[in-house]
Amino acid sequence: DAGITQSPRHKVTETGTPVTLRCHQTENHRYMYWYRQDPGHGLRLIHYSYGVKDTDKGEVSDGYSVSRSKTEDFLLTLESATSSQTSVYFCAISEGLTGYYGYTFGSGTRLTVV
Amino acid sequence: AQTVTQSQPEMSVQEAETVTLSCTYDTSESDYYLFWYKQPPSRQMILVIRQEAYKQQNATENRFSVNFQKAAKSFSLKISDSQLGDAAMYFCAYRLNNDMRFGAGTRLTVKP
Repeated sequence: DAGITQSPRHKVTETGTPVTLRCHQTENHRYMYWYRQDPGHGLRLIHYSYGVKDTDKGEVSDGYSVSRSKTEDFLLTLESATSSQTSVYFCAISEGLTGYYGYTFGSGTRLTVV
Repeated sequence: AQTVTQSQPEMSVQEAETVTLSCTYDTSESDYYLFWYKQPPSRQMILVIRQEAYKQQNATENRFSVNFQKAAKSFSLKISDSQLGDAAMYFCAYRLNNDMRFGAGTRLTVKP
């Protein structure tokens, strides 16, 4: 969807380097999420945000941090990338808390840590 | 914790035929939402269909319908008149507030 974009689309980085992935939305939605997708695991929640500067941990948050200084941007940082963080990362947005709203996903970032 | 299980890693269907993808979930809640998402090779996650747990009527969206069995915690997706464009990964998901849990996915192949 045009209302949510992720950058970069692909990235290769070396073990031990910091990496930041960006999610940008133009929908003014309050809720934003970062997921990782791995074969055999589906999508798993890393962190989410329920407002500017309001964030919380998800199921697989170790090794990741997030920041949200503006409604439209949600950044995911890998402090020191490891090979186990090689994955496809998805950002999602939601207008509300209830399932009525569903999620809208970005097109994903494929991250390879070598 | 809520879990979602898709027991069929891969499925195949002949074009124009019908296929059913299975999903079960575990929860102690009574009011929640269930979803099926489609992920084609483009990687984009596309919402296929949504079901509210307090609604007994099964959701339908054109060729896509669900069989929701709340007591059995089962939520299967039926695709009728399968088309080549239906080939994709399909993910079942459960949402309760800020917690959206996904199954591991079923890869659907459509044979011409």
